[in-house]
Amino acid sequence: EAGVAQSPRYKIIEKRQSVAFWCNPISGHATLYWYQQILGQGPKLLIQFQNNGVVDDSQLPKDRFSAERLKGVDSTLKIQPAKLEDSAVYLCASSLVGTLKQFFGPGTRLTVL
Amino acid sequence: AQSVTQLDSQVPVFEEAPVELRCNYSSSVSVYLFWYVQYPNQGLQLLLKYLSGSTLVKGINGFEAEFNKSQTSFHLRKPSVHISDTAEYFCAVSRDQGGKLIFGQGTELSVKP
Repeated sequence: EAGVAQSPRYKIIEKRQSVAFWCNPISGHATLYWYQQILGQGPKLLIQFQNNGVVDDSQLPKDRFSAERLKGVDSTLKIQPAKLEDSAVYLCASSLVGTLKQFFGPGTRLTVL
Repeated sequence: AQSVTQLDSQVPVFEEAPVELRCNYSSSVSVYLFWYVQYPNQGLQLLLKYLSGSTLVKGINGFEAEFNKSQTSFHLRKPSVHISDTAEYFCAVSRDQGGKLIFGQGTELSVKP
């Protein structure tokens, strides 16, 4: 089966610019997660969706980060404006509802200069 | 709140030697425990998980982990490593089925010939 798809794989921007990442989960997976992985650290959950509703966004910096999953399938994560400390790998994962196994995409590596 | 501590940031080991990657967690409630592996420029892949029952859990690629409730540990072991096991390993916990994963900082396993 096809895995979780993410694009772009790499992005370099200047601080204060905007950037968007896209994620297409595994077909049939209603739960979608966005994690931020800063170099040298483990991934940290930013937001969790179930279908097109938000389950947990407690660690999402809402002044600059936003995410949507309008049709309950693919999702976009946006940063506006970006800061230097946003440099990280942004991982998307998906799972069947109520299951423990999350499937991760390859990630988008963001560098903010 | 839950937290995860991986006690070694880097573990160098020679090929065919045994290895143990240490993980301790803290939680006031019962949790589910996981080990993920991340190869360079790839997403995370589930190695194994502990849900309940037998405290010794076997995973893919010859890895196993032992849950120790009294020591709140979930150490990962392999009796004989290969060059191809070189990767970053993450321990994680989850309080709920379908809930967010809380990751440790990661342990870089480097297998030398």
